[in-house]
Amino acid sequence: GENVEQHPSTLSVQEGDSAVIKCTYSDSASNYFPWYKQELGKGPQLIIDIRSNVGEKKDQRIAVTLNKTAKHFSLHITETQPEDSAVYFCAARLRNSGYSTLTFGKGTMLLVSP
Amino acid sequence: GAVVSQHPSWVICKSGTSVKIECRSLDFQATTMFWYRQFPKQSLMLMATSNEGSKATYEQGVEKDKFLINHASLTLSTLTVTSAHPEDSSFYICSARGFSYNEQFFGPGTRLTVL
Repeated sequence: GENVEQHPSTLSVQEGDSAVIKCTYSDSASNYFPWYKQELGKGPQLIIDIRSNVGEKKDQRIAVTLNKTAKHFSLHITETQPEDSAVYFCAARLRNSGYSTLTFGKGTMLLVSP
Repeated sequence: GAVVSQHPSWVICKSGTSVKIECRSLDFQATTMFWYRQFPKQSLMLMATSNEGSKATYEQGVEKDKFLINHASLTLSTLTVTSAHPEDSSFYICSARGFSYNEQFFGPGTRLTVL
């Protein structure tokens, strides 16, 4: 089955700095990679995702890059703000398959200090 | 965006009682719904996957007779924790996926505390 490794487990940055979270996956058949943000006591919120036919995707201050050859993908947050503080989870799945499930990384706690 | 709701948001019950948690997709039809369990400072652990009108598929180690899942319609799934015990105390989160099989959206979670 799929295995997703996520690093770092915790990340502290100053407001305005950039933050990068990295994930690797094991199953080369995986082709859908979402990122979720989870605030304390809440459910995960989908913030961005990428398909395997794309190398990079941006949405305002958030970007995700994918290297299929190396089987790793990363989340980049620029100009971080205190409200970005949360736990971020990466995941991998075989897209367009009704029978496949997301495999999650262990999460990264991001703390943005004012 | 797609919205998934859960009810209740929190529940406290006595040991031995059963608790039902509802999960609804509010603005899309969920062909597949998932139930997760999350312990403090840990990742999400998939408990079971259910397709509308079919029996749920449980992950290894999850007791299907203890965690009853019903997915009777394209917008509603329920998780019933039967004969709850303190070790069942956890954060339960449902998730839903539509016909496109792409994006998967999560509910806000239900905090279960068993005394």
